[in-house]
Amino acid sequence: QSALTQPASVSGSPGQSITISCTGTSSDVGNYNLVSWYQQHPGKAPKLMIYEVTKRPSGVSNRFSGSKSGNTASLTISGLQAEDEADYYCSSYAGRTTYVVFGGGTKLTVL
Amino acid sequence: EVQLVESGGGLVQPGGSLRLSCAASGFTFSTYSINWVRQAPGKGLEWVSYITSSSSTIYYADSVKGRFTIFRDNAKNSLYLQMNSLRDEDTAVYYCARTYPGSNSWYNFDYWGQGTLVTVSS
Repeated sequence: QSALTQPASVSGSPGQSITISCTGTSSDVGNYNLVSWYQQHPGKAPKLMIYEVTKRPSGVSNRFSGSKSGNTASLTISGLQAEDEADYYCSSYAGRTTYVVFGGGTKLTVL
Repeated sequence: EVQLVESGGGLVQPGGSLRLSCAASGFTFSTYSINWVRQAPGKGLEWVSYITSSSSTIYYADSVKGRFTIFRDNAKNSLYLQMNSLRDEDTAVYYCARTYPGSNSWYNFDYWGQGTLVTVSS
C-alpha cells in the first residue's frame, strides 16, 4: 500500500491533454509544496519531470506541468505524444521522520 | 556524462546479508548527496536512504532502519548499502539516485542508475 494514491491507469489520444492525480494527506502533500513527478519507461530508470509542485528541470518539455490543491497534486501533460507512454510516479516530502513517500504509479497509455 | 552503476545484487536467504555498491562517474561525486530507492517487482518506488556529500547526515526509511547502513567512499567515487537481516519484502531492484542540485531540497532525484536486483528467498 503506497502512501500516496494515484489512479492505476489513464489514457489519451495524441495531441490531447491528460491529468494524473496524486492524493496524500495533510502530513505530506497538503503540508509541503514539495511534490515531485517521475516518468519511467519499461525497463528504464525513472526521470525527474517536475519538482516542488510546479518546477521543471532543464530539458523537460513544457508540455509537462504540475499543480496542487489541498492534499492532491496533479501532473498535466498537454499535446500527448507517443513517447509520453510510460509509468508516472508522484512523491512528496513527508516530514522529519517519514521523509519521502511515493505514489503507487500511473500507467499512461497513448491510444 | 553522469553515470551511476549499481552492483552487488543477487539471491540471498531470509536473514542474510548483502552489500550493494554504486559507482559514480561524470560528476564531482564528493559534492553531491546520494540516495537509495527501491522498486519491488511490478510495484511502485520506495525511498530507502539518504547520505550527504560528507556523510554528516544520514536518513533511513522506517522499513529498513536498524537493518541497512548507507555509507560512501568519496576517494573511490562510490556509494554503498549494507543490508542485514534481509526479509522477503526487501526483494526489489535497488537504484542509487543523485539528489538534484537545482532545488533547495534533497528529495528530488535527477540521475538514477539502472538498478541491481536483490531477491530474498529461501
